Amino acid sequence: GAVVSQHPSRVICKSGTSVKIECRSLDFQATTMFWYRQFPKQSLMLMATSNEGSKATYEQGVEKDKFLINHASLTLSTLTVTSAHPEDSSFYICSARPVAGQETQYFGPGTRLLVL
Amino acid sequence: RKEVEQDPGPFNVPEGATVAFNCTYSNSASQSFFWYRQDCRKEPKLLMSVYSSGNEDGRFTAQLNRASQYISLLIRDSKLSDSATYLCVASEGYKLSFGAGTTVTVRA
Repeated sequence: GAVVSQHPSRVICKSGTSVKIECRSLDFQATTMFWYRQFPKQSLMLMATSNEGSKATYEQGVEKDKFLINHASLTLSTLTVTSAHPEDSSFYICSARPVAGQETQYFGPGTRLLVL
Repeated sequence: RKEVEQDPGPFNVPEGATVAFNCTYSNSASQSFFWYRQDCRKEPKLLMSVYSSGNEDGRFTAQLNRASQYISLLIRDSKLSDSATYLCVASEGYKLSFGAGTTVTVRA
């Protein structure tokens, strides 16, 4: 089956630092990758949609200057949380949709971010 | 109002029991529907798609009522390994809207 990896799986950082999270599709090419955030006991919330080679589309309420997304290739998208604060602590999950345009999204294992 | 609403539970059931729960969605333009399973501190994994005619996958049965905008999941002969949070998902195009999940705990 399709495999999506994320790195790092867990990160603890000080307030004010920036954190980069990588999302890779390992055995397929993905024109579209999605970034979600999940707070404890809440639903996954779509933050942004990234298409290879173009600017990401952010959901309402998500600051594009704070959450920088780069989708440089068909197998890699990165999310950078700039100047992280404790309220950014969350579970960040990416998903990827194959080039063939299937409806299915394959999820990465998630990155748990704790900002002190 | 949340796009997808679910009873958070928890549903605590003994092994072998049947458990059923549902969700409602507010976006009438939603085209596809799914149930995902999420284990503690892990990513969601697709359990099954949901079709208007109702569909079954082993011990799992899903139903969709478009008129009422209501989706259900029934688990028969519960196993300990069924303990998880079940996420109801409605999609419009590529955009997935997740419910907050229903927690099921199966006890021995």
